[in-house]
Amino acid sequence: DAMVIQNPRYQVTQFGKPVTLSCSQTLNHNVMYWYQQKSSQAPKLLFHYYDKDFNNEADTPDNFQSRRPNTSFCFLDIRSPGLGDAAMYLCATSREGQIEGAFFGQGTRLTVV
Amino acid sequence: KNQVEQSPQSLIILEGKNCTLQCNYTVSPFSNLRWYKQDTGRGPVSLTIMTFSENTKSNGRYTATLDADTKQSSLHITASQLSDSASYICVVFISGGYNKLIFGAGTRLAVHP
Repeated sequence: DAMVIQNPRYQVTQFGKPVTLSCSQTLNHNVMYWYQQKSSQAPKLLFHYYDKDFNNEADTPDNFQSRRPNTSFCFLDIRSPGLGDAAMYLCATSREGQIEGAFFGQGTRLTVV
Repeated sequence: KNQVEQSPQSLIILEGKNCTLQCNYTVSPFSNLRWYKQDTGRGPVSLTIMTFSENTKSNGRYTATLDADTKQSSLHITASQLSDSASYICVVFISGGYNKLIFGAGTRLAVHP
């Protein structure tokens, strides 16, 4: 059974039109991450939540925001998508202190037209 | 600087052959190391996780090794199948706090009939 679920799997949006990607988890992990992955590159961390604390990477564009209304859900908002924002967006979770590492969702492939 | 380096960058093998992928890391403090398989257009799926005290761990046709002294890990795939064609990513976890993940760039494996 999927433990980290991302919706939608594929998203097409127009240039400049706000879009929201969602992630839910059934693991009760206190840490959630959003990564951007472009073709043939390693995932790049955009931000993470440590419990309710939001942590933005220094080079994450202001265009990207996130919300975590509760432990299970996390959203990635792209306010004005540009062509350069087309990528795979990965959500991951982990628990502080556990050795199991991170669990990833299946990703959302974002296309900007 | 925390880094994870993988080699080779890409690899082509014939179906049924074995192969070994390498991962060298300079990450501190080390928590654990995980190998992920990522099919094109999908999220990473965990293959094995190695903690500091583990040297070898197998998961079916996948065998991972870890040498914590030399900070090297390898992933050996035996009797390769066409479905093994994917990117294999080595991820090292930094202990403490929110479990920061350090990604390798991945090895792109192609298995040909």
